[in-house]
Amino acid sequence: NAGVTQTPKFRILKIGQSMTLQCTQDMNHNYMYWYRQDPGMGLKLIYYSVGAGITDKGEVPNGYNVSRSTTEDFPLRLELAAPSQTSVYFCASTPTDYGYTFGSGTRLTVV
Amino acid sequence: EDKVVQSPLSLVVHEGDTVTLNCSYEVTNFRSLLWYKQEKKAPTFLFMLTSSGIEKKSGRLSSILDKKELFSILNITATQTGDSAIYLCAVGGGTSYGKLTFGQGTILTVHP
Repeated sequence: NAGVTQTPKFRILKIGQSMTLQCTQDMNHNYMYWYRQDPGMGLKLIYYSVGAGITDKGEVPNGYNVSRSTTEDFPLRLELAAPSQTSVYFCASTPTDYGYTFGSGTRLTVV
Repeated sequence: EDKVVQSPLSLVVHEGDTVTLNCSYEVTNFRSLLWYKQEKKAPTFLFMLTSSGIEKKSGRLSSILDKKELFSILNITATQTGDSAIYLCAVGGGTSYGKLTFGQGTILTVHP
């Protein structure tokens, strides 16, 4: 039972490059989330989804896009990477409310 | 805007000490408060609290919620070096869909 799988674990991007952070869960959870965590800070919600085909913005969505074409996958797209997007990104899923299962995180550095 | 504030931001203790971590919140239509422990990687779940005054306990860790005063505490007794971590408080409310607002975390360091 894999849970929530995030790839890649680490990535260095140059300013202006684009990339997609992958997130897959095998628990048939409806709700999925993307958070970012900056040093000394808690987690900030970027985007979330309540089911396939439905996504909505969180607290800090600028510079990111998401899609949810299947229940399992919730990729996060960074267009035109900026140094302010240097962070650790966590994907999470839950069947209803709050029982989050987190992925292991992606550490992204934009230089 | 929902807000969660944790204190202290960092704490250094010695093994065997007892610590109390604080979490205060302002959230519309409160639903639940959660505590997580974060070591090297992803946060791991500790407790979920929805009702005032009912203590949740797991080994040396315990937590309680006060919905009137809008805060929660996490107690760790007889601390061990393995308790060193960031402790995150998060609150769910409003329209929910499971969205959580996290505090900035308390960094706990336990020395031998």
